Amino acid sequence: GENVEQHPSTLSVQEGDSAVIKCTYSDSASNYFPWYKQELGKRPQLIIDIRSNVGEKKDQRIAVTLNKTAKHFSLHITETQPEDSAVYFCAATNTGFQKLVFGTGTRLLVSP
Amino acid sequence: DADVTQTPRNRITKTGKRIMLECSQTKGHDRMYWYRQDPGLGLRLIYYSFDVKDINKGEISDGYSVSRQAQAKFSLSLESAIPNQTALYFCATSDPGLALGEQFFGPGTRLTVL
Repeated sequence: GENVEQHPSTLSVQEGDSAVIKCTYSDSASNYFPWYKQELGKRPQLIIDIRSNVGEKKDQRIAVTLNKTAKHFSLHITETQPEDSAVYFCAATNTGFQKLVFGTGTRLLVSP
Repeated sequence: DADVTQTPRNRITKTGKRIMLECSQTKGHDRMYWYRQDPGLGLRLIYYSFDVKDINKGEISDGYSVSRQAQAKFSLSLESAIPNQTALYFCATSDPGLALGEQFFGPGTRLTVL
């Protein structure tokens, strides 16, 4: 079955810096890669996702890149703000299953 | 707004007790999931159900059971709770009609087993 590894486990940046979180997956059949953000005491919520037929997707300050050959994908946050502080989870699945396998999470702290 | 709700939000219980966590949704989604979240371990799938008559084990189903009472309700039971089941539990839903499979999470239930 699918296995997803996520790094780093914690990431501290200064406001305005960029942040990058990386994930690798094991199942070459996976074709859908979402990222969820969980603020303190809140539920995880989808912030961006990418399908395997696309190499990059951007939504304002966040972007996701996918390298199918290497089986890894990354979340990029530019011009970080304190409200970006949260735990971020990557996940992978084959959309035929809709059963996500999550990474272990990255705690991002953005200092003013 | 359509939503996913969980009851109770917090529960403290003792070792050996039976406990049920409930999940309800008004999103009209067929697919429902139970996850547990532990620090450093992310979200791990306990059970999932793709319709009322379909129940499937996830990666960590031992010690848990589920019941899908209706399309909108999916309950998780701990038959005999143990301390290492102390965790944050999330219910989630998804709609197979949505191409990308986004999952919508409930607010979570924090369970402590003493």
